[in-house]
Amino acid sequence: QSALTQPASVSGSPGQSITISCSGTSSEVGSFDLVSWYQQHPGKAPKLMIYEVSKRPSGVSNRFSGSKSGNTASLTISGLQAEDEADYYCCSYAASSTLVFGTGTKVTVL
Amino acid sequence: EVQLLESGGGLVQPGGSLRLSCAASGFTFSPYAMSWVRQAPGKGLEWVSGISGSGGGTYYADSVKGRVTISRDNSKNILYLQMKSLRAEDTAVYYCAKHSGYEYYYAMDVWGQGTTVTVSS
Repeated sequence: QSALTQPASVSGSPGQSITISCSGTSSEVGSFDLVSWYQQHPGKAPKLMIYEVSKRPSGVSNRFSGSKSGNTASLTISGLQAEDEADYYCCSYAASSTLVFGTGTKVTVL
Repeated sequence: EVQLLESGGGLVQPGGSLRLSCAASGFTFSPYAMSWVRQAPGKGLEWVSGISGSGGGTYYADSVKGRVTISRDNSKNILYLQMKSLRAEDTAVYYCAKHSGYEYYYAMDVWGQGTTVTVSS
């Protein structure tokens, strides 16, 4: 199972909005509303930010939102803040009965 | 406090074996699926294996199938990952993660801090 494709890096200024894409195929992203997004700061464990494409866990800022169109899922961070600087990974259930992560995106706050 | 604590990592020679453990606390362990996710140095996250809440369903990434076995002891609230025939490419931080539901396709809402496995001669 190949990793989902994400841009290597995305950057934005404080207060701006950025969007991270997660491109897959009809074998995972396109077939299941089981895409989740994780934030990982350096040396730390991942943290769940979005589940089931667009749902936000309790305690996660409403500046984070998720969506999906066809085989591509997206994570949008609005009102970018310095603390949002981290690596972000998408993850999807796949028809092969596995989970597949994205390649990861480094978000830089300028 | 909901917590996952991994242990069992270390240095092992190629071809060797290792058993990782993950002790869960602060929540009712048995209803929830669990997974192991690894991260090689400087690389991204890779799902390794998952297990249903009862332990009756086990799932593996192609990269480890046949070399690892996931299991759980719901009476002790512990998740295990038995690894054999280890290769250099298995070198990584191994995270234990709790899923938000009975099956492993639900999101992973709690993560441990990880245990490091290094495969080298």
